[in-house]
Amino acid sequence: DAGVIQSPRHEVTEMGQEVTLRCKPISGHDYLFWYRQTMMRGLELLIYFNNNVPIDDSGMPEDRFSAKMPNASFSTLKIQPSEPRDSAVYFCASIGVWGAEQYFGPGTRLTVT
Amino acid sequence: AQTVTQSQPEMSVQEAETVTLSCTYDTSENNYYLFWYKQPPSRQMILVIRQEAYKQQNATENRFSVNFQKAAKSFSLKISDSQLGDTAMYFCAFMKMGTDKLIFGTGTRLQVFP
Repeated sequence: DAGVIQSPRHEVTEMGQEVTLRCKPISGHDYLFWYRQTMMRGLELLIYFNNNVPIDDSGMPEDRFSAKMPNASFSTLKIQPSEPRDSAVYFCASIGVWGAEQYFGPGTRLTVT
Repeated sequence: AQTVTQSQPEMSVQEAETVTLSCTYDTSENNYYLFWYKQPPSRQMILVIRQEAYKQQNATENRFSVNFQKAAKSFSLKISDSQLGDTAMYFCAFMKMGTDKLIFGTGTRLQVFP
């Protein structure tokens, strides 16, 4: 298995622009998680899905953030409009229904100037 | 609410030596999982070891082992025969069984010196 795939690996954009981060979970995994990692706040859970349905989005910082999972093999995290304080590494992770371990993607390093 | 505390921001160890990273957590739950994740400079989050709270036996994965003290709510990671490739950030994490949500500590940066 290729593991969790994220794209792009690096994104540099200007303040005010829309940013879309993409994730492909491990095939057969039922849960998908989006995290944000910063020096100040560490690893934060933003939102997670079960069977493509959002279960808990209490970690989404503002209305500028939105996430979708249109099918079992694809999810997006969108920031519109982006701000410099959104600069961080964004991770996607997935887990199977019988498992406990979350498998992480390589992350997307977002820089908003 | 559950919290995870890693009180050692940085640690260092010489190659081939043993090092122990500390982690404590606070919960009123009885059924949960504990994890150690490793994040090398590549940023990839890699699962190192997992412990189920209902198991009394400490988990072991090759050179990595844990000391799980449920009553004390302590979950330390011991790395034996340290290797240069062990240089990384190490995160302790808690998951209440049935929730699938990981709560991470702030991490310990481990440097292995030749």
